[in-house]
Amino acid sequence: GAVVSQHPSWVICKSGTSVKIECRSLDFQATTMFWYRQFPKQSLMLMATSNEGSKATYEQGVEKDKFLINHASLTLSTLTVTSAHPEDSSFYICSADPGLADTDTQYFGPGTRLTVL
Amino acid sequence: SQQGEEDPQALSIQEGENATMNCSYKTSINNLQWYRQNSGRGLVHLILIRSNEREKHSGRLRVTLDTSKKSSSLLITASRAADTASYFCATGASNTGKLIFGQGTTLQVKP
Repeated sequence: GAVVSQHPSWVICKSGTSVKIECRSLDFQATTMFWYRQFPKQSLMLMATSNEGSKATYEQGVEKDKFLINHASLTLSTLTVTSAHPEDSSFYICSADPGLADTDTQYFGPGTRLTVL
Repeated sequence: SQQGEEDPQALSIQEGENATMNCSYKTSINNLQWYRQNSGRGLVHLILIRSNEREKHSGRLRVTLDTSKKSSSLLITASRAADTASYFCATGASNTGKLIFGQGTTLQVKP
């Protein structure tokens, strides 16, 4: 149980286009999902906290108009990278919090590798 | 911003040896978690230790937590080539659910 999927697993796009990444919790509901970005050989940087039915909370330095997050249901959050540029090329990982009382464990998706040409 | 630091940044050992990785953090935490990431893949949760715990075991893994020093260590005993990966600690705050990751340790286990 506790599986999180991401789609697509990789995407290559031209500079200036927008890319949507989906994060789904397959066998549990998640009121909260998190989006991270990871550059090569670096750690995960939290970008934003996505709450079902409300606006996402962005970390300092993350442009909310560039990285649009929608958490439309308890099993789906989407991250749209708008007007992507080569510097947005990165590994994007989501995680889902089942919100259980006795655990703080998040479940991570397999990641999406974005390459902007 | 990143919560803490891990050392060493890279570790290379022979199969069968033990590997120890350390993590330090800066603020008060509710829990500390260790994750493994194989190259280009997602994260695998290894173990969670709460702020009121000092040591925890899971198979070949042993985690310690010293809240007075704001540090934790991950020990992998009898390492295997399949343990080759990057290992990250992540600290959880009490009420936000956020995880803040350390810089990670890249472990190479040579067969």
